[in-house]
Amino acid sequence: QVHLVESGGGVVQPGGSLRLSCAASGFIFSTYGMHLVRQAPGKGLEWVAFIHYDKSTTYYADSVKGRFTISRDNSKNTLYLQMNSLRVEDTAVYYCAKGGLSLSSLRYFDSWGQGALVTVSS
Amino acid sequence: AIQLTQSPSSLSASVGDRVTITCRASQGINYALTWYQQKPGRAPKLLIYDASILESGVPSRFSGSGSGTDFTLTISSLQPEDFATYYCQQFDSYPLTFGGGTKVEIK
Repeated sequence: QVHLVESGGGVVQPGGSLRLSCAASGFIFSTYGMHLVRQAPGKGLEWVAFIHYDKSTTYYADSVKGRFTISRDNSKNTLYLQMNSLRVEDTAVYYCAKGGLSLSSLRYFDSWGQGALVTVSS
Repeated sequence: AIQLTQSPSSLSASVGDRVTITCRASQGINYALTWYQQKPGRAPKLLIYDASILESGVPSRFSGSGSGTDFTLTISSLQPEDFATYYCQQFDSYPLTFGGGTKVEIK
């Protein structure tokens, strides 16, 4: 079955950088679009970014545009999120999530990783 | 961005109760809505997509309805394992957005 495992979370100072990874297995990674969704402590869900299966298209939430970059290595079945210029308000659990195959199902999340906590604090 | 307003934000209910959660979109989204269940410390789980289609493996006591701007998630007979927080999400357009969540607690 689908298995998504995030890594790379941790504590970073404001203005710092961090790279999250999400290792995928149990499905043909190179044929699915992938998303990052985050959840601040005690808060709701916020979609962060999307990358198409062939890297042709990416989308970002306005709150991270210009600071975060989503990428993928289909040969390694791995999704990445490079986070720069981090702010206190970026503190959250970051989940990678798999989209579906159709144009519509591409835009929702049928499988999720367990999440990685990123804490931005001085 | 399309805003989703869920109500109520929390509710208390007993095992066996019928529970209804609503989600209102700030503009029409046809049937482009999903529902997720999240338990404490766990990742969300997809329950319903395309407003009313049950994801494989989800119990039939869950159902969804609606189109356009108004949607509902109904649990016909609440079970102990259903106490959780529920989120709606629209996939009509980017940025993808979620409702604020509804926490279902034990009465």
